[in-house]
Amino acid sequence: DQQVKQNSPSLSVQEGRISILNCDYTNSMFDYFLWYKKYPAEGPTFLISISSIKDKNEDGRFTVFLNKSAKHLSLHIVPSQPGDSAVYFCAASAQGGSEKLVFGKGTKLTVNP
Amino acid sequence: DADVTQTPRNRITKTGKRIMLECSQTKGHDRMYWYRQDPGLGLRLIYYSFDVKDINKGEISDGYSVSRQAQAKFSLSLESAIPNQTALYFCATSDSGTRFTGELFFGEGSRLTVL
Repeated sequence: DQQVKQNSPSLSVQEGRISILNCDYTNSMFDYFLWYKKYPAEGPTFLISISSIKDKNEDGRFTVFLNKSAKHLSLHIVPSQPGDSAVYFCAASAQGGSEKLVFGKGTKLTVNP
Repeated sequence: DADVTQTPRNRITKTGKRIMLECSQTKGHDRMYWYRQDPGLGLRLIYYSFDVKDINKGEISDGYSVSRQAQAKFSLSLESAIPNQTALYFCATSDSGTRFTGELFFGEGSRLTVL
């Protein structure tokens, strides 16, 4: 049973527009949520995170929103740039356990010039 | 130079062969991990180690073994490779010095093909 779900395998947006990547989770014990970005032939890199005590965290063009009641989080990228084209993984952790980090399947974002 | 280095980057082998993937890191982190990525399945944890004397199984450890030779080195072995172990393997590290916030530092990956 998937605990972290990214239901959209791919997303395509125009440069300058907003990209919204979604993630749902089922485990109510998750208390920390992260997004990783992965370019081809490279390892994933940490992008942004949010604690369950917050509902929003912003870092430059990237904002993550958390809706605990819906067990849903989203990553907003504004404005989108061609260099943002990558696979984005949502991940969740329970009680600070690094070994308990659970990843979604990923969403491939393509930003068209 | 990369902080987390994996060798080899690509390997093709045959069923039944023994394969070792190596990982070394210069970040000074004490925690190291091996993950596997399959198309459409995300990243799954194979083994992890919190220090040289600590080895733990992850979600999908069957068919794999690991060795933590030093704080900076963590190797993954497939004793007898089988085709369904064809995947992209990632080594990662994290620091236990502060409360874990989820940030793992990944190597560039080792693509293994078992024929």
